[in-house]
Amino acid sequence: GQQLNQSPQSMFIQEGEDVSMNCTSSSIFNTWLWYKQDPGEGPVLLIALYKAGELTSNGRLTAQFGITRKDSFLNISASIPSDVGIYFCAGIQTSGSRLTFGEGTQLTVNP
Amino acid sequence: ETGVTQSPTHLIKTRGQQVTLRCSSQSGHNTVSWYQQALGQGPQFIFQYYREEKNGRGNFPPRFSGLQFPNYSSELNVNALELDDSALYLCASSRQGAGETQYFGPGTRLLVL
Repeated sequence: GQQLNQSPQSMFIQEGEDVSMNCTSSSIFNTWLWYKQDPGEGPVLLIALYKAGELTSNGRLTAQFGITRKDSFLNISASIPSDVGIYFCAGIQTSGSRLTFGEGTQLTVNP
Repeated sequence: ETGVTQSPTHLIKTRGQQVTLRCSSQSGHNTVSWYQQALGQGPQFIFQYYREEKNGRGNFPPRFSGLQFPNYSSELNVNALELDDSALYLCASSRQGAGETQYFGPGTRLLVL
């Protein structure tokens, strides 16, 4: 089925460093979402993007909806230990429809 | 806290058994989507219910079925359980016509032995 290619698969960084991850697809998506998932819990929404070219921030997080509508990226600035977790991108192709998820980026932050 | 609740939190079943998982959507939401998340992977779409009608289905066999109730809560039923059905089952609620954002519950961890 349809997949989103998310990279990197994992990242090991020092506290205070900035982080960047991205998601690409061969198909167009009309909505991009970024979620964070902690062990044993459901994904928590971080940022939602609804328009091509849109740049949205949520505290230290910034995400962009690619102009081609086939990609999105997420930046985390000045990382802290509680940023540890798995970050997923997700896209929606048709209004009100299913989410297609990437494979996740495992982030580890060393204090 | 998303306001989406799921029960039970954990479940152990044996091959061939049947299981029912439950989800209560966030207040004001009329759409529930179910996802299966295998260990180390992203969630995979199972199906979606909007106002008690099925509104799309992913690539899962017919032994995965569901329904939505008038209060918009939902059930996922899986018959003839197989070992590969072991996963975290997530439900997400949203409101059609008010953006596409789906909010997830904590999930039900199913182990099939």
